[in-house]
Amino acid sequence: AQTVTQSQPEMSVQEAETVTLSCTYDTSESDYYLFWYKQPPSRQMILVIRQEAYKQQNATENRFSVNFQKAAKSFSLKISDSQLGDAAMYFCAYRSADGGSNYKLTFGKGTLLTVNP
Amino acid sequence: KAGVTQTPRYLIKTRGQQVTLSCSPISGHRSVSWYQQTPGQGLQFLFEYFSETQRNKGNFPGRFSGRQFSNSRSEMNVSTLELGDSALYLCASSPWTGLPQHFGDGTRLSIL
Repeated sequence: AQTVTQSQPEMSVQEAETVTLSCTYDTSESDYYLFWYKQPPSRQMILVIRQEAYKQQNATENRFSVNFQKAAKSFSLKISDSQLGDAAMYFCAYRSADGGSNYKLTFGKGTLLTVNP
Repeated sequence: KAGVTQTPRYLIKTRGQQVTLSCSPISGHRSVSWYQQTPGQGLQFLFEYFSETQRNKGNFPGRFSGRQFSNSRSEMNVSTLELGDSALYLCASSPWTGLPQHFGDGTRLSIL
């Protein structure tokens, strides 16, 4: 079974600085998807960024980028120019890309990010 | 564009009862997936419906079931409630199967 580990329960960053959230996963599959979700306090959780394992290029969405290291099974999220609105719980998630497999998402426990003004 | 809407926001039930939760996806989204969130277990996938068909299922007992209607609204039913079912239940919608994009505010279920 796949597992997703977020080793940092809490992180903090100063406004305008850069922070990196860690995520590692365990799988025997070669093709899969990885995701980062953001759950702000009292607001709806949304998809921040996703990465297909077969793509070597790291995904980027504005100030959010990932460092995908397939061999190391590592998928970290970098937030540049941090803003107060980035404060949230961040979840890393894994999903198989195998059409014959169950497309269920497996989530990490989350990292609570605080942004200090 | 309206977001994902879950009703009710809060529910209090007793052991042995059953409950039905509702999720209305973003207009045009055909996939609705359900998750249980607890402090101990974190976020766990329950199941996903796409175009009225269950496409994927997590590792939950048969007491947890769901359905999806032709307008893509989905309901989740939990029968014979147990104390351990107390949780925040989230649903998410997406245009595609297996790629949840937008989540609702959740239904907080408390079992007494």
